[in-house]
Amino acid sequence: DQQVKQNSPSLSVQEGRISILNCDYTNSMFDYFLWYKKYPAEGPTFLISISSIKDKNEDGRFTVFLNKSAKHLSLHIVPSQPGDSAVYFCAASESSGSARQLTFGSGTQLTVLP
Amino acid sequence: GAGVSQTPSNKVTEKGKYVELRCDPISGHTALYWYRQSLGQGPEFLIYFQGTGAADDSGLPNDRFFAVRPEGSVSTLKIQRTERGDSAVYLCASSFGLGQTQYFGPGTRLLVL
Repeated sequence: DQQVKQNSPSLSVQEGRISILNCDYTNSMFDYFLWYKKYPAEGPTFLISISSIKDKNEDGRFTVFLNKSAKHLSLHIVPSQPGDSAVYFCAASESSGSARQLTFGSGTQLTVLP
Repeated sequence: GAGVSQTPSNKVTEKGKYVELRCDPISGHTALYWYRQSLGQGPEFLIYFQGTGAADDSGLPNDRFFAVRPEGSVSTLKIQRTERGDSAVYLCASSFGLGQTQYFGPGTRLLVL
């Protein structure tokens, strides 16, 4: 029973265009969401996060949108660059949880074509 | 500054053997997490330390898995009687405190033959 789902295993985008990566969750107790980027043979690298009290957070080319009623979040990258090609993981946690462990989706492989 | 480091980077062992995986967190980070990532999946939580004690080990799959953090810094994940299904990338993460952003190491790729 996956609590965090990334239904698109892969996405290809032309350089300079917008990349939109989607994530859905089922656990209504999740109130903190993160995106990580992962290159081959490396660990996940933190990208951007959002608390459930917000519906948008922006950091440079990266913006995360949260729709709590739909239990959906998305990561927008604009403009996309070839160096953005990586696997992107959506993750979620509960502030009431003792460990604050992250629950991850299965990832989306983004390929930005030059 | 140094990030999270993990050793070894790769480990090949035979079924039934014992392995130890080491994690050195970012200096000053009190929280340390272990995750396991199987092929095509996202990382899955195993265990969490706040200081020296295992605050939550609910993600450990069975009693063959054990982890320690005796001095509140370096942690070792121990797997007894390894099975082929234990083959995965074992990731360690640390954070400054509870609820803070987790920073991951490069992982240890374990292959059980």
